[in-house]
Amino acid sequence: AQSVTQLDSQVPVFEEAPVELRCNYSSSVSVYLFWYVQYPNQGLQLLLKYLSGSTLVKGINGFEAEFNKSQTSFHLRKPSVHISDTAEYFCAVSVFTGGGNKLTFGTGTQLKVEL
Amino acid sequence: DAGVIQSPRHEVTEMGQEVTLRCKPISGHDYLFWYRQTMMRGLELLIYFNNNVPIDDSGMPEDRFSAKMPNASFSTLKIQPSEPRDSAVYFCASSHPGQGAIFGSGTRLTVV
Repeated sequence: AQSVTQLDSQVPVFEEAPVELRCNYSSSVSVYLFWYVQYPNQGLQLLLKYLSGSTLVKGINGFEAEFNKSQTSFHLRKPSVHISDTAEYFCAVSVFTGGGNKLTFGTGTQLKVEL
Repeated sequence: DAGVIQSPRHEVTEMGQEVTLRCKPISGHDYLFWYRQTMMRGLELLIYFNNNVPIDDSGMPEDRFSAKMPNASFSTLKIQPSEPRDSAVYFCASSHPGQGAIFGSGTRLTVV
């Protein structure tokens, strides 16, 4: 079975500073990787996804993530954050085979952008 | 497309009552998922369907929970009887194979 670890439950950062949200996964087979964002009282919105090909993936709102197979990581980055980026961010993994297309989520990282 | 549509947005019910949550997936998506989100347990996959067929219901907490997908455009999650510990936000999501799931806005269930 696959699993996802988000080590940081909260990340405070000042506006216009860079940010990295960490995600590590565990799986015995090849995976798809995703980042979702959840604003208060809303559903989850897909930020970006890695399916294959280039290991650097660009998403919406200026976010990007890099797939590192050797370190089993998929960290999310943004060079300059805005107040509106304050939200909870979830990393998720799904496998190519067996379990269909179901997503396994990490516990989430609360990004708090301060002035 | 209007996205994944869930109803109701909020539901408050008394313990012991039956609750039915509804979901309309995005047209053409093969997969439909039901997730539950709580502070204590985070996001949990309850059940998912492929082409209207339940594939994995190992996440359904107990027999009080049931889910159906009678056709490609509609699914329900039913709790009977409901208990206070069922209070949570329930999300429906749909996807193509290998693609990221698109989530609905959720149903916030409160059982008193």
